[in-house]
Amino acid sequence: DAGVIQSPRHEVTEMGQEVTLRCKPISGHNSLFWYRQTMMRGLELLIYFNNNVPIDDSGMPEDRFSAKMPNASFSTLKIQPSEPRDSAVYFCASSDRGWQPQHFGDGTRLSIL
Amino acid sequence: AQSVTQPDIHITVSEGASLELRCNYSYGATPYLFWYVQSPGQGLQLLLKYFSGDTLVQGIKGFEAEFKRSQSSFNLRKPSVHWSDAAEYFCASKTSYDKVIFGPGTSLSVIP
Repeated sequence: DAGVIQSPRHEVTEMGQEVTLRCKPISGHNSLFWYRQTMMRGLELLIYFNNNVPIDDSGMPEDRFSAKMPNASFSTLKIQPSEPRDSAVYFCASSDRGWQPQHFGDGTRLSIL
Repeated sequence: AQSVTQPDIHITVSEGASLELRCNYSYGATPYLFWYVQSPGQGLQLLLKYFSGDTLVQGIKGFEAEFKRSQSSFNLRKPSVHWSDAAEYFCASKTSYDKVIFGPGTSLSVIP
């Protein structure tokens, strides 16, 4: 299996721009997670989907962040407008065990200038 | 609030030596506990997990962990460390809201 695929691997953009991160989960997995990793806050769960439905989005920082899962094989995390404090590594993970994140992608390193 | 603590920010061991990474959790009920490893530039990989039953859990890459309820601990061990084990290690726990929270991580360096 190809594993969880995230794109892009790196993104550098200017403050105020819209940023879209993409994730393709492992085929057959019905849970998908978006995490953010920073030195200051560690790993934080942003949102968790099950069967394409958002189950817990309490970790989404503010209205500038939105996530969608239009089908079982694709999800996006969008930041609009982006700010320097959004700079982090964003991970997508998928699972066939409900709330348990099993397989992580290699992440998108986002830098907002 | 429920939390996971990893007292050691960084540990250095010699190749071939034994390893123990510490983890403490605060969830009061029967915990669901995990250890993940993150190599540089990569995502997290699940090493092992504990839900119930035998308190000594075997994982991949030769790792094991022991659950001790009396100490609220779930320490990760390996009898002989290899240079390829150098990485960041995260302990994690399920919360009462079916959410997995992670500890701050322990960075492991291996001296040849």
